[in-house]
Amino acid sequence: EPEVTQTPSHQVTQMGQEVILRCVPISNHLYFYWYRQILGQKVEFLVSFYNNEISEKSEIFDDQFSVERPDGSNFTLKIRSTKLEDSAMYFCASRQGLGGYTFGSGTRLTVV
Amino acid sequence: GESVGLHLPTLSVQEGDNSIINCAYSNSASDYFIWYKQESGKGPQFIIDIRSNMDKRQGQRVTVLLNKTVKHLSLQIAATQPGDSAVYFCAETSAAGNKLTFGGGTRVLVKP
Repeated sequence: EPEVTQTPSHQVTQMGQEVILRCVPISNHLYFYWYRQILGQKVEFLVSFYNNEISEKSEIFDDQFSVERPDGSNFTLKIRSTKLEDSAMYFCASRQGLGGYTFGSGTRLTVV
Repeated sequence: GESVGLHLPTLSVQEGDNSIINCAYSNSASDYFIWYKQESGKGPQFIIDIRSNMDKRQGQRVTVLLNKTVKHLSLQIAATQPGDSAVYFCAETSAAGNKLTFGGGTRVLVKP
C-alpha cells in the first residue's frame, strides 16, 4: 500500500535554529499538507499546497514557516528560527482528489 | 468559531464488547467526514469515511453514522480487540474546502 514517508522521525534543535522537515507524498497525489500536533492535543492544520503554490494556511503558519516542493517527489516544511513552542509532532499528508487523505508517521520536533 | 468536538475523552471497554465513539461538528458546510485512529508515536490512520449524502457506512468491524440534523457523527467498533486501543479522531472537510478540521480525540482503552 502506498505510504507518505517523513524524515527524520525525530529532530532535536536549538532555539533559533532553522529546521527542514521532509516528506515524500504518494506519487500520484496532487494535494499536499502539513499538520502539527502538540503533545496531548488535537491535530492542527498548518498549510495546504496544490499546483506548486500554497492554497490555504492557518494562523499558525506565520512568516517563520515556508513550504517547498523542490522536485517531483519531495515536499518540505522549513521553520526559519525555531521557538520552544514549535515543539510538536509534524505530520505530512497527501491526497489525490476528493477524500483519500493519507498521513505520514510524523516527525517529532524538539526545540531546546 | 466552527469546530469539531468529541463528547468523551476516554472510553474504557471490555474486550469483545462494542465501542461507540461520538463526535459533534458545527460547520454545516462540511460534507465529508473521516474517522482516524492514532496509536502512540504514529500518524493518523484512516479508518472509515462518509459523505453527507449518506447516513451510514460500514466497513470491517466499523460503522460510521452521520446525523446531519443534529450535526453528530459516531464510530462503532464491533467486538473490540486489544489492537483497537488508541486515540480516535473525527475530522471534517467540505468538497469546496481543502483542509481537514480535527476533533479533540477520544482515547479507547480495551480491557482484557
